[in-house]
Amino acid sequence: KQEVTQIPAALSVPEGENLVLNCSFTDSAIYNLQWFRQDPGKGLTSLLLIQSSQREQTSGRLNASLDKSSGRSTLYIAASQPGDSATYLCAVRPAGTYKYIFGTGTRLKVLA
Amino acid sequence: GAGVSQSPSNKVTEKGKDVELRCDPISGHTALYWYRQRLGQGLEFLIYFQGNSAPDKSGLPSDRFSAERTGESVSTLTIQRTQQEDSAVYLCASTLYGRDTEAFFGQGTRLTVV
Repeated sequence: KQEVTQIPAALSVPEGENLVLNCSFTDSAIYNLQWFRQDPGKGLTSLLLIQSSQREQTSGRLNASLDKSSGRSTLYIAASQPGDSATYLCAVRPAGTYKYIFGTGTRLKVLA
Repeated sequence: GAGVSQSPSNKVTEKGKDVELRCDPISGHTALYWYRQRLGQGLEFLIYFQGNSAPDKSGLPSDRFSAERTGESVSTLTIQRTQQEDSAVYLCASTLYGRDTEAFFGQGTRLTVV
């Protein structure tokens, strides 16, 4: 059974710092992995999708990497801003299925 | 529409009543998902639609929960005889058909059972 874990559960950093969020999954047989952000009381906003054949994806200040064989993904946020404060979720799509399995998220607070 | 739309945004109901939650996916998205998020917890998969058929209902927690979809558009999640443990945010997502498609989520319906 696929399980997704995110560490740390919460993180507080000063503005301008570069930071890394971690996601690990137990079964490497996945189609893809997607990173989302969730603001309080809101739905999820898609940030990056990495296909199983890819190693990384970049969008602006965000860079996500995928090491499928070790069951790990990282989300790198450069030059963090207070507006980056949110909960970050990763989700994997196990091979052979169409559903997404989510981690419990990392709650990020960027201090001005 | 421009994004996934869910209604109502908030719903307060009395224990034992039935509720219907609605999801309008992005036009052209054939796949539709329902998830539940309890306070402080992760997202739990409920059901997946491809068109108007539901090949994966494995996450529906009990027979009080049901969902249907009209063609490749609107979906309704119905909870009968609501219980307090049903209180959660119910999130809907849609994607194009295919294994490597990006999921887009609605803003969710916050259900409170009193």
